[in-house]
Amino acid sequence: AQSVTQLDSHVSVSEGTPVLLRCNYSSSYSPSLFWYVQHPNKGLQLLLKYTSAATLVKGINGFEAEFKKSETSFHLTKPSAHMSDAAEYFCVVVNLYGQNFVFGPGTRLSVLP
Amino acid sequence: DTGVSQDPRHKITKRGQNVTFRCDPISEHNRLYWYRQTLGQGPEFLTYFQNEAQLEKSRLLSDRFSAERPKGSFSTLEIQRTEQGDSAMYLCASSLDFGTSYEQFFGPGTRLTVL
Repeated sequence: AQSVTQLDSHVSVSEGTPVLLRCNYSSSYSPSLFWYVQHPNKGLQLLLKYTSAATLVKGINGFEAEFKKSETSFHLTKPSAHMSDAAEYFCVVVNLYGQNFVFGPGTRLSVLP
Repeated sequence: DTGVSQDPRHKITKRGQNVTFRCDPISEHNRLYWYRQTLGQGPEFLTYFQNEAQLEKSRLLSDRFSAERPKGSFSTLEIQRTEQGDSAMYLCASSLDFGTSYEQFFGPGTRLTVL
């Protein structure tokens, strides 16, 4: 069975400061991991994905995430937050054959001016 | 627009009524998924299709729920005898069944309110 823990339900940062959204996963095999973003009244959009290639993954809009197997973590970071980054972020663990997407509970990111 | 589309975007119904939602996936995608998302939670898997075959159903999918994908293209999700607890956002996603990532592309969702 797979599971995802997102350690913070809400993160608030000031514009221009770094962003860190934490994700820990549990999986009985080497998983694929994704981060999706959901803006209000919009569909889920893929930010980035890890699929057993490079452990540091770069995504859209300046986001990146590092896969750390020893820590079972896949934290999402961005060096400098922008107002448009305010949204809900979901970490997702995917099983071996891609049928089973397990979403974390989400982290709401607020960006203060 | 060649993304995933869902219809309707919003549905308000009275308890006990039946509702049906439609999802049109990206045309070359052979996998189609349904999820339910309640306020403040992540999407929860309901069911998925490989072409027209429904291969997996979550225990969340009670007997009142049924999904079809008759020709391996669009899909419908029907909820019979709706209850207030069915109020949620229903999301559809599609993907290919090969490749290293199985990335799912999501539609905008159908928001159901049961009064």
